[in-house]
Amino acid sequence: AQRVTQPEKLLSVFKGAPVELKCNYSYSGSPELFWYVQYSRQRLQLLLRHISRESIKGFTADLNKGETSFHLKKPFAQEEDSAMYYCAFKNNFGNEKLTFGTGTRLTIIP
Amino acid sequence: EPEVTQTPSHQVTQMGQEVILRCVPISNHLYFYWYRQILGQKVEFLVSFYNNEISEKSEIFDDQFSVERPDGSNFTLKIRSTKLEDSAMYFCASSRGGQPQHFGDGTRLSIL
Repeated sequence: AQRVTQPEKLLSVFKGAPVELKCNYSYSGSPELFWYVQYSRQRLQLLLRHISRESIKGFTADLNKGETSFHLKKPFAQEEDSAMYYCAFKNNFGNEKLTFGTGTRLTIIP
Repeated sequence: EPEVTQTPSHQVTQMGQEVILRCVPISNHLYFYWYRQILGQKVEFLVSFYNNEISEKSEIFDDQFSVERPDGSNFTLKIRSTKLEDSAMYFCASSRGGQPQHFGDGTRLSIL
């Protein structure tokens, strides 16, 4: 069964320090991976999509098929990065449903 | 930028009552979804809808649930006889297919 694992429920990082939010998936085919962010009392927003390979708000994520990982990274954390981050997965069988990880609450310490 | 809108933002209902959650997807999107998030748990897929029919549903989406697109703009989730365990945040999403899903703000459903 396809599954997304985010091992850290909570992560606290000092402002200016590097951030890495971990995401691993289990799927034997070619997945499509996403990071969604949810700021306090706001909707889920798409942050990154692996196939677009772009950097949003300084965040990047690389799909590593060997390690089945899609970790989210930012070199210098900012206070406004405090939010809930969800890794999500979609297979390529034509259906569109997203499978989410349990999320990581990132807190940036000023 | 166009958004998915959901109403109401909070719904309180007595156990056993029917509830309808409403969503207006982005206008040129063709795929519609419902997800739910029980407090403290992850976001879970319920159902996807395309071309006026359900394209996929999860095991959570049993006979008490139904979805409908009653007109050209609304997409509704009906829960027929609510249970305490239906209390959750319900998110609607839409997409153009092959493109990322856009989510609404959610409806918080509280069953008493």
